[in-house]
Formats: sequence, C-alpha cells, structure tokens
Amino acid sequence: ELKVEQNPLFLSMQEGKNYTIYCNYSTTSDRLYWYRQDPGKSLESLFVLLSNGAVKQEGRLMASLDTKARLSTLHITAAVHDLSATYFCAVDIPDSNYQLIWGAGTKLIIKP
Amino acid sequence: GAVVSQHPSWVICKSGTSVKIECRSLDFQATTMFWYRQFPKQSLMLMATSNEGSKATYEQGVEKDKFLINHASLTLSTLTVTSAHPEDSSFYICSARQGNTYNEQFFGPGTRLTVL
Repeated sequence: ELKVEQNPLFLSMQEGKNYTIYCNYSTTSDRLYWYRQDPGKSLESLFVLLSNGAVKQEGRLMASLDTKARLSTLHITAAVHDLSATYFCAVDIPDSNYQLIWGAGTKLIIKP
Repeated sequence: GAVVSQHPSWVICKSGTSVKIECRSLDFQATTMFWYRQFPKQSLMLMATSNEGSKATYEQGVEKDKFLINHASLTLSTLTVTSAHPEDSSFYICSARQGNTYNEQFFGPGTRLTVL
C-alpha cells in the first residue's frame, strides 16, 4: 500500500526552540514536496527535493531527503510565531500521471 | 511565476443547484491539473486528474456524473458540482503541474462551497 506518514501530527512549541517534523513514505520515489497551509487558505509550496541527499533551506526551515531510508525531515530552527501553520509532505508516485500521495499534515503551533 | 487562480473563492448555494469552479494557470501552461477536496482538519483528497484535451481520470469513489471536469485548454480547467447537496459542502482546491522535471504542483487559493 502506498502511504506517507507524518510525525508528529500536532506540535505545540515555544518560540526560539528547534524541532523536526518527519515524513516517511512507503513507495520508491525520488521526489518529495513540502507545503504549508494556513487556516482557511490553500497550499503554498515550500521545498521540492529531487534526489537522495538533497537539502534545501529557506529562512528558519530546512528540508532534507534520504531516499534510501524513504525519509524526509523538515527542521525548524529558533521557531517564531509566524511559522504556525499546517505542514504537509507529499511524494511523487512513479507512472501515475504525476499524482502525489499526501501525508496527513502536521499542525504546528508556536507560542510566543 | 507559477500562479494559479481559482474562482469563485467562496460560494453559497441552495440544494439542487449546480456550481462551476474555474481554475486557471496565469503564467504557465499546465499540462495536467488536479482537483482536490479537503475536509476540516484533514489532508487533501484527490478527486480527479485532468490532462488538456482528454477526459479526466477520477479517483475511486468520486462520482464522475456529479463532479464534471473540463480541461479545455492548457490554462483552464473547470469543476462543476451538479445538483449540489449539503454533503458536498467542502473546500475545493485545484492545482496545476507545470510540466517540467520538478513535477511541482502549484495550488489555487481554493473555493469554499456551502450548500444549504
């Protein structure tokens, strides 16, 4: 079964702390995507990870991909309130007309 | 770049009416567009995949006669919810794929449908 599992599903943390969201997937894929969704809004693309060992950083967020372990991480450094949102990872399904399998999302609340 | 618009952003209608939602890629040609549905506090549920000029491919459990999808051009796809009922109330989001090696999907702002 094709699955994408995110962990944790809910995270409440203080400003200034570091934390990591994990995304495990069951299918063979070289492409993984991270998106952000604010309440009542649509999805905003954060990172596209295209190969094993890929690492991308934007501000306080850093994403990495290990295709052998079928694991991606989204690391938050010195969290600020503005990063409060729900974060989704998604994996490209080979030979599927470019469909994505979605994780359940991680709701992140950062308290001042 | 890679902007996708959706219209309307919200709609309230009476049970039994039909609602059309438009999805446009504004600054690129979208070889593939996707329609999703999202219930509160849940992940995205793919409804259908459409390629320009061909019939949409619907996911299992999605009624193709109820959710009509037309992908008439490389920049426009429409979703029509026919004879809408309260259980069709949801957040509908479209996305468009640019067709390059990244296979990245760019999302429209979503349409919140409320059926009374």
